[in-house]
Amino acid sequence: GAVVSQHPSWVICKSGTSVKIECRSLDFQATTMFWYRQFPKQSLMLMATSNEGSKATYEQGVEKDKFLINHASLTLSTLTVTSAHPEDSSFYICSAREWLAGVGELFFGEGSRLTVL
Amino acid sequence: QKEVEQNSGPLSVPEGAIASLNCTYSDRGSQSFFWYRQYSGKSPELIMFIYSNGDKEDGRFTAQLNKASQYVSLLIRDSQPSDSATYLCARRRSNYQLIWGAGTKLIIKP
Repeated sequence: GAVVSQHPSWVICKSGTSVKIECRSLDFQATTMFWYRQFPKQSLMLMATSNEGSKATYEQGVEKDKFLINHASLTLSTLTVTSAHPEDSSFYICSAREWLAGVGELFFGEGSRLTVL
Repeated sequence: QKEVEQNSGPLSVPEGAIASLNCTYSDRGSQSFFWYRQYSGKSPELIMFIYSNGDKEDGRFTAQLNKASQYVSLLIRDSQPSDSATYLCARRRSNYQLIWGAGTKLIIKP
């Protein structure tokens, strides 16, 4: 199946710094990418939907100025957590939809675990 | 009311038995439903999707959808210890956005 690569897989940073997470579709063009956040023992929560070449659509309650999403190409989307705080510590997962995807064709990255000290 | 509801479990099933996982949803207009498996610390893996009423079988897995009752289930036959994981039910919104249930933790006992 199609591969979505996320980097870094884990990151530890100091409070107040910014962290960038990359999501790449390796063998297909992803017109739409989704960013999720998952806290321990909880389900995935959709943060935002990004379409290549346009602004991301954020879910209610997600601060767009804090979680900057860029989808500049058909194979790369980035999530930048700005001025990170300990409460931002979470497992961040991206998923990507292929251009001609069918109903079930949504591919997930491996996830990035962020720990803010 | 949550959009997608699952019993958090854990659900304990002996090896070789049938594991039955259930999910209900609130939006009657929902069309497509997905079952994902997630191992601890890993991303979800797609098991099956279903969008028609009835059963859909794939190997040891059977998904069942009842739109009148707003109910989706996943049956795992001949359960194996490697099936132990959290199973996430999701429904698809527009633009392929997935709305997730909280997940059911399944434990297969050898």
